[in-house]
Parts: sequence; C-alpha cells; structure tokens
Amino acid sequence: GAGVSQTPSNKVTEKGKYVELRCDPISGHTALYWYRQSLGQGPEFLIYFQGTGAADDSGLPNDRFFAVRPEGSVSTLKIQRTERGDSAVYLCASSRGVTDTQYFGPGTRLTVL
Amino acid sequence: ILNVEQSPQSLHVQEGDSTNFTCSFPSSNFYALHWYRWETAKSPEALFVMTLNGDEKKKGRISATLNTKEGYSYLYIKGSQPEDSATYLCAFEANTGKLIFGQGTTLQVKP
Repeated sequence: GAGVSQTPSNKVTEKGKYVELRCDPISGHTALYWYRQSLGQGPEFLIYFQGTGAADDSGLPNDRFFAVRPEGSVSTLKIQRTERGDSAVYLCASSRGVTDTQYFGPGTRLTVL
Repeated sequence: ILNVEQSPQSLHVQEGDSTNFTCSFPSSNFYALHWYRWETAKSPEALFVMTLNGDEKKKGRISATLNTKEGYSYLYIKGSQPEDSATYLCAFEANTGKLIFGQGTTLQVKP
C-alpha cells in the first residue's frame, strides 16, 4: 500500500520568507508526527497530532513554527520568517495509534539562503 | 533532558565482515526502543521495536538485543553486504508517543 508521502522533496527559499511543508500519512493512521534532522544529528521531535488536535507541540522551537491537521489526515508544517538555522530535513511519520510503529516519509530538505 | 547516544558515529567495513553498534538510553520511564535504517534519498525504515528487557529480535542477517535495566541496545549485522550501507538510528520511547533519537551510526560496506 501507499506509504507516507511528503511534498516538496526539496525547497530552497530566502531568509525571511514563509514556507509550507506537506505530509500525507498512511490511510487510517490516526497519529502523525513531525521531526527535523539537522546536519550531523539524529531526528528531533517537533510536534505530534492525535486526530485533528496537536497532542504535544513541545518540540516546536519557537512561535515561527506552526502545524495543522484540519481533517485528521494531511498535515502542513508552516514556518514564518525563515532563518538560515531552519535549514534541515523535515520528516513526517504516521502510526495507527500513539506508541505503535511510526512509518516515515522521505522528508523535505529545506534550504534557507 | 533525555539523552540517547549511539556509537560509533561511523564505521567502514569490508563485505563479509560482521559488525555491531551500540545505543544507550535512559533506564527510567522506558516504554520501547526502536531501530531504523535510513538509506540516502529514502525514508527511514523500521527494523525493530523492542519493549521487554532481554528481548532479542532478528530480521535476516540483522539482529538486536535490549537491556532496559542498564539502558543499552546492540544491533548486529552478520556478513555485511554493500546494500547494508546506511545510517542506523535508534530511538527511545517513553510511552508519550514521541521518539528521542540518537545521532545515528553511518555504516559503509566496501565490496
């Protein structure tokens, strides 16, 4: 069956611009997670959704980052006033429920010039 | 602050060599330990989810062990092949849903 998909696969933007990253989870998975991987580090938790609500957004680094999942399926991670330090691979994962195996998408590589 | 450490950071072996990596994690509030394999330009692939102290899991030539009392897990690859080249990530889960990842071990297997 179809896995987790993320678009775009690559995004290059200029400092100060706004970007949106999209995640399509596996059909029927109620939990959706966002992680960020900076160079030389492991993925770092940002936020997760159970259904439509953000169950834990403790990993969002500041108020420039926001994520939504309005219908409990597709999620969008939004970054305002991008900074060079936001450059990273943004990974999305989904699972049947919280504490079930998380299945990852291929990531979106964001480069902020 | 929860800390997950992996060693070594990178490893170069010859085809046919066996190898192993270490993941250390907090021994308190443990729920599960995950291993993933991440090949360049692909999605991280789930290898194992381990929950019980003393667990041993195997998938082909890859196996893993878990010690929750002392907070470590080993991943073993027997007879490494070039297609095993990837970054291997472990992640600690404390029944909150979110995964705390180590920095990964990057394996290069030379033909």
